[in-house]
Amino acid sequence: DAGITQSPRHKVTETGTPVTLRCHQTENHRYMYWYRQDPGHGLRLIHYSYGVKDTDKGEVSDGYSVSRSKTEDFLLTLESATSSQTSVYFCAISQEVDQPQHFGDGTRLSIL
Amino acid sequence: AQSVSQHNHHVILSEAASLELGCNYSYGGTVNLFWYVQYPGQHLQLLLKYFSGDPLVKGIKGFEAEFIKSKFSFNLRKPSVQWSDTAEYFCAVRKTSYDKVIFGPGTSLSVIP
Repeated sequence: DAGITQSPRHKVTETGTPVTLRCHQTENHRYMYWYRQDPGHGLRLIHYSYGVKDTDKGEVSDGYSVSRSKTEDFLLTLESATSSQTSVYFCAISQEVDQPQHFGDGTRLSIL
Repeated sequence: AQSVSQHNHHVILSEAASLELGCNYSYGGTVNLFWYVQYPGQHLQLLLKYFSGDPLVKGIKGFEAEFIKSKFSFNLRKPSVQWSDTAEYFCAVRKTSYDKVIFGPGTSLSVIP
């Protein structure tokens, strides 16, 4: 399996609090992605990065921000969490845009 | 809007039955196509991919998929399923001029021993 670590693996927090999820890779892949997985919606892209400090929005980016200060780390931040952001979040990496993505184990986030 | 649809939300089969899961997309032009599998409690794993060439693609664990450009389809098949194939299956499409991959909503497969 590709070297991808997501932390934390589980988190429960309250509405209005900030939350940061971390994705760490040891593969030196250029592309990193954050998805959320919800029943009936499959995976939806939140944000992605194509290099250090290079990021772009996905289809469900509202309420989320990201940062990539070094190749191996891609952070997803919920500035003020809402209950609609309760989901399972997956990080993925790919060597180049046209290569298959490899996924982390996911973070289960519950916002009460 | 660009989209990926999967025909079946939930499929239930007996062991040894044949499987076909449908996937259609709405983009024109050149695409990269993928099928991923997610076993219960695990992350997504790549089953197979199509970039170009032979439209019949063979993947891991006996799965194959056929790209039919005229139908904008990339259906997944397996001649004889096993209980261990119980999982969620996701079709994904990337238009080659874009960075983003769009995933379908998934099909849950349950195989009964």
